[in-house]
Amino acid sequence: DAKTTQPTSMDCAEGRAANLPCNHSTISGNEYVYWYRQIHSQGPQYIIHGLKNNETNEMASLIITEDRKSSTLILPHATLRDTAVYYCIVRPRGWMDSSYKLIFGSGTRLLVRP
Amino acid sequence: SAVISQKPSRDICQRGTSLTIQCQVDSQVTMMFWYRQQPGQSLTLIATANQGSEATYESGFVIDKFPISRPNLTFSTLTVSNMSPEDSSIYLCSVARKDYGYTFGSGTRLTVV
Repeated sequence: DAKTTQPTSMDCAEGRAANLPCNHSTISGNEYVYWYRQIHSQGPQYIIHGLKNNETNEMASLIITEDRKSSTLILPHATLRDTAVYYCIVRPRGWMDSSYKLIFGSGTRLLVRP
Repeated sequence: SAVISQKPSRDICQRGTSLTIQCQVDSQVTMMFWYRQQPGQSLTLIATANQGSEATYESGFVIDKFPISRPNLTFSTLTVSNMSPEDSSIYLCSVARKDYGYTFGSGTRLTVV
């Protein structure tokens, strides 16, 4: 079962920041938080991941609470092309075990309005 | 990241037949996975394709229905056997490696009639 809880849907205006929350209250100390998105009819696309510190890349920022029980993905200036389903996933740290698979929850459907 | 070529991109098949989907990666990877995405739903992991040994299936998926081959570190196939309309889905291949994380193919859109 997925270890995360996300709102079913959200919307925001084009050009504004989109803040997508994720609850992962049972996360353990060795688990990362990953964010992926899936634009219609495409395979999921990696956005960002983090362990406990806030992270930023060219696509987004990831804010993880101090207790690590929740996080927020921030798209600073949403565009129409950011309309997609966003998935928050927790995954064990490390790459030595081939069982480290990604388990997807239901995700958040983000609609960016013109 | 890796480049994944998944074939076919789509197919329409008769019930009772089988379809084999191919996943080719441009670099060697240890971890390969197969997912199913039913219409309007999230991705569900079918199995982990292990090189040189039998695939590891998730609960609800069995080898007789979804046989998987992994002959080397760059290639895998998933067969959907004895298809019914309920098998109509998108099937996705995914690979993972330490230096670039997880990459997904563009999927195979299967319609069973």
